[in-house]
Amino acid sequence: DIVMTQSPDSLAVSLGERATINCKSSQSILYSSDKKNYLAWYQQKPAQPPKLLISWASTRESGVPDRFSGSGSGTDFTLTISSLQAEDVADYYCQQYYNTPRTFGQGTKVEIK
Amino acid sequence: QVLLVQSGAEVKMPGASVKISCKTSGYTFTTSFIHWVRQAPGHRLDWMGWINAGNGNTKSSQKFQDRVTFTWDTSASTAYMELSSLISADTATYYCARGLEYSGHDYWGQGTLVTVSS
Repeated sequence: DIVMTQSPDSLAVSLGERATINCKSSQSILYSSDKKNYLAWYQQKPAQPPKLLISWASTRESGVPDRFSGSGSGTDFTLTISSLQAEDVADYYCQQYYNTPRTFGQGTKVEIK
Repeated sequence: QVLLVQSGAEVKMPGASVKISCKTSGYTFTTSFIHWVRQAPGHRLDWMGWINAGNGNTKSSQKFQDRVTFTWDTSASTAYMELSSLISADTATYYCARGLEYSGHDYWGQGTLVTVSS
């Protein structure tokens, strides 16, 4: 199985400041034939299901604010919230869909400092 | 709009089975896959498998392979997940989610809490 490891486990950021979450996969999730990274990022608020923010490592879903961006390739990925808003307080998860079983990172809790 | 609505919370004895439904609307059911993901308290999200709503093919995580069954009813636009031989460690919130074979999961059900307790 591909192991997804996120860092940090939690972070506290001031309103309006940048939040950066890292995700590392135990093997490359870049598919050579289509040059796509098979990685998604989700946001989960308490008592809610996850919400898909980003697919293919960097493609923002429709309706997701542009302060959310994804980057990286191969085994190392980053989710950046450029200017943290109060409504961004949540847990964030990365997931690989390169192979089965799909696997998630352990999650990163984002709070307001 | 796309909706996935799951059946209600369940309490089961160890050794029993649970079957959860996921009724979809707002899109053509047979054009997508339905994935099942669970979240135990304090644990990461755990992908269980998928069913191809177009042809009924299924794929499950080896972790659950012997205990999980995915089925579907295209006339009702509904997918089902049945987990057998329940143990206390199966206590979790179970989600269905729409996706393709290779994609993120863009719409999720509200979750179904399954509690396994004697």
